[in-house]
Amino acid sequence: EAGVVQSPRYKIIEKKQPVAFWCNPISGHNTLYWYRQNLGQGPELLIRYENEEAVDDSQLPKDRFSAERLKGVDSTLKIQPAELGDSAVYLCASSPRVAGDSEQFFGPGTRLTVL
Amino acid sequence: GNSVTQMEGPVTLSEEAFLTINCTYTATGYPSLFWYVQYPGEGLQLLLKATKADDKGSNKGFEATYRKETTSFHLEKGSVQVSDSAVYFCALSAGGGADGLTFGKGTHLIIQP
Repeated sequence: EAGVVQSPRYKIIEKKQPVAFWCNPISGHNTLYWYRQNLGQGPELLIRYENEEAVDDSQLPKDRFSAERLKGVDSTLKIQPAELGDSAVYLCASSPRVAGDSEQFFGPGTRLTVL
Repeated sequence: GNSVTQMEGPVTLSEEAFLTINCTYTATGYPSLFWYVQYPGEGLQLLLKATKADDKGSNKGFEATYRKETTSFHLEKGSVQVSDSAVYFCALSAGGGADGLTFGKGTHLIIQP
């Protein structure tokens, strides 16, 4: 079974430019997460989807970040405009359940460098 | 809010040494606790978990016991191998795992032959 797929794996952009990351979760997984991992730190949750509904976006910087999960499958995370401090690894994860005891499966991440 | 504190790295050990990586947490209620591992060039993988007090999670020779009285979930292994070299993250979830995870900063483990 294929794991969580993310693209691109690496992205280098200039500050003030827009950027988008794409995630395809494991088939049948209802819950999808976006995390940001700064260098030398643990991942931090940005947003959690249950099917197509964003149920926790309290840590998403809404002035420049947006996300969508159309049809409750693939998801896109966008930053516009990017700032130097957005350089990080953006991780997508999925989980088969929406509540209770459940494992999260992580993708390989997209490493963003903002110059 | 919820938080996880784990020992700073890097931790360097010789092969067959005993390993302990300390992890303590702050959370309301009764969170589920996890250890994730990230091998070089790979994504995060669940290593083990415990969902209630006094539970012991175990996998690949690693163990951790959920200690509510000390709010700890220390990772142990009796005899480490070079292949255990990786970054280890302690994490908690308020809702059993489907909720978002709160991670510690990670501990880089280096095992020398």
